[in-house]
Amino acid sequence: EDKVVQSPLSLVVHEGDTVTLNCSYEVTNFRSLLWYKQEKKAPTFLFMLTSSGIEKKSGRLSSILDKKELFSILNITATQTGDSAIYLCAVGRVEGNEKLTFGTGTRLTIIP
Amino acid sequence: DAGVTQSPTHLIKTRGQQVTLRCSPKSGHDTVSWYQQALGQGPQFIFQYYEEEERQRGNFPDRFSGHQFPNYSSELNVNALLLGDSALYLCASSSRDLPYNEQFFGPGTRLTVL
Repeated sequence: EDKVVQSPLSLVVHEGDTVTLNCSYEVTNFRSLLWYKQEKKAPTFLFMLTSSGIEKKSGRLSSILDKKELFSILNITATQTGDSAIYLCAVGRVEGNEKLTFGTGTRLTIIP
Repeated sequence: DAGVTQSPTHLIKTRGQQVTLRCSPKSGHDTVSWYQQALGQGPQFIFQYYEEEERQRGNFPDRFSGHQFPNYSSELNVNALLLGDSALYLCASSSRDLPYNEQFFGPGTRLTVL
């Protein structure tokens, strides 16, 4: 059975700090790893990684995938209160289907 | 361009009742997946619809059923509701034309079973 483990479960930092969120996975026929941000209800898409070692960046957020060690990290630099949310990691398989297996998420709280 | 829409926003039911949740996918998308997110948990895959057929199913009982219409919109039905069915139900849309598993989520329906 596919498995995604995120750490830490929760994190509280001060505005301006840099944070690193972790995601490890076990999945048969890995195709992609996705990061989502969930503030109230709908998870909003952040990144999708399919190739190892390639960093994806969007402003202060960046993510990298290590397919050999089966993990990914999400970095957020110069954090702002608007970054407070639950960050979800999900993996998808090759096999023509699009089922995603999610971790339990990391709850990030930014203190002003 | 409308994103994924879901209705209703909130719903309160009692044990044993039946509920129907609705989802309209993002414009241009043809595949709808349903997820259940219990409090403090990540979303759990329920099933996926493509070409009006259930293509894959997660570890959920037969009380959970669905349908996809020709316009790609979808319904999730849950019969004989249990207290444990209380959760946020998320619909995600995607396209078979996309090479990977990118899915876009709707705002969800919060179901409370009393």
